[in-house]
Formats: sequence, C-alpha cells, structure tokens
Amino acid sequence: DSGVTQTPKHLITATGQRVTLRCSPRSGDLSVYWYQQSLDQGLQFLIQYYNGEERAKGNILERFSAQQFPDLHSELNLSSLELGDSALYFCASSAGTGTGGQQPQHFGDGTRLSIL
Amino acid sequence: GENVEQHPSTLSVQEGDSAVIKCTYSDSASNYFPWYKQELGKGPQLIIDIRSNVGEKKDQRIAVTLNKTAKHFSLHITETQPEDSAVYFCAASIARGGGNKLTFGTGTQLKVEL
Repeated sequence: DSGVTQTPKHLITATGQRVTLRCSPRSGDLSVYWYQQSLDQGLQFLIQYYNGEERAKGNILERFSAQQFPDLHSELNLSSLELGDSALYFCASSAGTGTGGQQPQHFGDGTRLSIL
Repeated sequence: GENVEQHPSTLSVQEGDSAVIKCTYSDSASNYFPWYKQELGKGPQLIIDIRSNVGEKKDQRIAVTLNKTAKHFSLHITETQPEDSAVYFCAASIARGGGNKLTFGTGTQLKVEL
C-alpha cells in the first residue's frame, strides 16, 4: 500500500460529460502529480501541484483541469469527454517540489475511466 | 523535451535466471532515474531509484546502473522469482523551476517461468 488514495476506482460515463477524480496524498507529502496511462500513449505526465500551487504542466488538454486544496487533496476535472479520454488516471505524491533534489513519487492504484 | 526509450518490450526468463532491462534518455540535464513495477490492476510501485551523482545502486536482488556519458541506465534483477512477473517502467526526471515531472519509458513485460 503506497498510502496514496484515489477515488473512485472505476468510472463509466458518456461522451460530452464531466467527471471529477479525487486523490489523497501520503501523509506529509506536499506535492501531487497526475498521470494518464493509455495503451497508445503509455504513462504521460499531466500536471503537478505543490502545497496548492501549480508547479509543472505536461501535455494536459484544455478540457482538463486540476487543483490542490488546503488539506492537500487534489482533484482532476475532465470535461467534454471524448472516447479517446478512456484511460487509467494515476495520482502520485512526493514530499517535496523537486528543488534541491527530486523526491520519490509514490502512486495510487488509479481511476479507470471508461467513456461509452 | 525529454524522451526515454526502453528495451526490450517483453522478456521471458526461467526462474532463477537474471533479467536486464535497458533505457536511454535524451536530455543530459536529467538527474533522477526511478524504476517502477506495475502489476495488473495496480499503480506503479517504486522499486529502486538512482541519482546522477551515483553510478550504481543495489537493493537485495535488484540493482540499477547509470552511464551518464552514454545517457543510459539499466535494471538488473538476479535470481528471478515468479512474483517478479510484472510490467517494469523506467523513468527520467529533471528538477526544473520547482517542477518534478517523470518521463516514462514504454514498459517491459517480464515473465518469469517455472
């Protein structure tokens, strides 16, 4: 058990809809990362937050957004969903920001999103 | 941006044999290289990592080597066991502006046969 909690485990919805994925980081971790895993794209970095602030951004679609709350949990919002958004979405957390040396990232077990 | 290539895509070994997975990276500024093991239905699990100021690191049956000049790093698993069967991912990271994103390789499906 990595200590990173993601909910829900599975999500089935239709094209055009909006969903919210939730992540609780490990106790004491200030950084949260979101990754997308699909068969054709592999594991792709989406976005990082540190203590409520955005720190790094990958190839995240404009239809996707995220935030980190004062209690350090994070939410990933996906809107105007398309069939191609079907994937596993992972959250990871680490102790620091990356300045002064990267901290190991620990992953949750993901949310499987299926778009019908 | 950073690009990480990983080989082989599949690897089958007999129990007790060694397994080696190799990765190359493109950005010479990368300075942190973790390896993850992913089992079916689970998230990636960190198994070992190495920083650019170290050439080799070992943890029981698992070792990682890094060649900064050639920009490649490898995972070595000795005395493989059936429970080592999983998908293994290498990754590279550059600490830049407070960001710490991981760029992953495409994964290696390791099968340890009895």
